[in-house]
Amino acid sequence: AQSVTQPDIHITVSEGASLELRCNYSYGATPYLFWYVQSPGQGLQLLLKYFSGDTLVQGIKGFEAEFKRSQSSFNLRKPSVHWSDAAEYFCAVSSMEYGNKLVFGAGTILRVKS
Amino acid sequence: NAGVTQTPKFQVLKTGQSMTLQCAQDMNHEYMSWYRQDPGMGLRLIHYSVGAGITDQGEVPNGYNVSRSTTEDFPLRLLSAAPSQTSVYFCASSYTSTGNTEAFFGQGTRLTVV
Repeated sequence: AQSVTQPDIHITVSEGASLELRCNYSYGATPYLFWYVQSPGQGLQLLLKYFSGDTLVQGIKGFEAEFKRSQSSFNLRKPSVHWSDAAEYFCAVSSMEYGNKLVFGAGTILRVKS
Repeated sequence: NAGVTQTPKFQVLKTGQSMTLQCAQDMNHEYMSWYRQDPGMGLRLIHYSVGAGITDQGEVPNGYNVSRSTTEDFPLRLLSAAPSQTSVYFCASSYTSTGNTEAFFGQGTRLTVV
């Protein structure tokens, strides 16, 4: 069965430090990959997506992610974290091989220290 | 732009009661889905619809019913509420069901079953 793993439940970084959130998936040959962010009490907002082409994708709010097929990973990065980035981040994957259903990881809660 | 609208935002039910969570989208999206979000488990798919008159089960469908009589609306019915259904429920819609499109989420309904 398809699955998405986000190994880190919580991450704390200092404001201005760099950030990397990990995501690994087990999926079919053609995964569609997403990162969503959820602020407390809010819905989910799309940060970025990868469908095909350049494996380094840029998103909103200064985030980027790199698709590495050999490692089945789609890690999210930001060079300098701002206090407003504190939120929960979800990696999600869909694939034609699994009926195009969007499957989410368990999420990573990001805390930012000032 | 309204996007995806969910009502109510909060609800408390007694065990055994039934209720309907409403979801409406004004983007003429073909694909709609319901998720539940529980701590440490990410979002899990309950039911989804690829168009009016077509629905199917997701990962955790037991205890829930859906129907899709119009493109805009996708209500979720709890038949006989149980404490295990205490959760935050999100409705989402996307332009197509092909997997390589962004999902837009509502603000969520926080349901407590006592």
